[in-house]
Amino acid sequence: AQTVTQSQPEMSVQEAETVTLSCTYDTSENNYYLFWYKQPPSRQMILVIRQEAYKQQNATENRFSVNFQKAAKSFSLKISDSQLGDTAMYFCAFIYSGGGADGLTFGKGTHLIIQP
Amino acid sequence: DVKVTQSSRYLVKRTGEKVFLECVQDMDHENMFWYRQDPGLGLRLIYFSYDVKMKEKGDIPEGYSVSREKKERFSLILESASTNQTSMYLCASSLMDRWNIQYFGAGTRLSVL
Repeated sequence: AQTVTQSQPEMSVQEAETVTLSCTYDTSENNYYLFWYKQPPSRQMILVIRQEAYKQQNATENRFSVNFQKAAKSFSLKISDSQLGDTAMYFCAFIYSGGGADGLTFGKGTHLIIQP
Repeated sequence: DVKVTQSSRYLVKRTGEKVFLECVQDMDHENMFWYRQDPGLGLRLIYFSYDVKMKEKGDIPEGYSVSREKKERFSLILESASTNQTSMYLCASSLMDRWNIQYFGAGTRLSVL
């Protein structure tokens, strides 16, 4: 079974700063996907970014980018030019790619607060 | 846009009641999921379904059951609600062909008194 660890329960930065959220995972599988989800106060989970394990290139989506280190089993999220609307819970998640329909394994989350 | 709708945002029930949480998706997704979210624990998978009338246990199925009679609807059932089932419940769905992209509902916050 896989586990996902987010070691930062809460982080706070000033608007326009860059912030990095950490995530490590443990799995014996070689093919999988990793995700960052955002959950604002509205509670709607939103997919921020996705990384396929077999791709060495780090995924990017506008101001969001990841640093994927497969050997170290590390998957951090970098948010550049942070905005007030980035305030939310952020969850790192894992899914094995060979299983077809399966649930996501989530970390415990990081509460990110962007200060004006 | 994919829409996953959970019938209640907030629900208050008594211990011992039978509780139904309903989830409907409008994009013909084959896969549907129920997660439980608790502070400091993240989201944990309760049950999922990959087809009508099919169900698979997740990580924490004890005390729950599910029903999927129609493709678009996936119900989570608490046969006899207990206070330790007070939580946020999130439903999600995905296509079989793009199974790794899950779309979430807005959640139901259930309080069992």
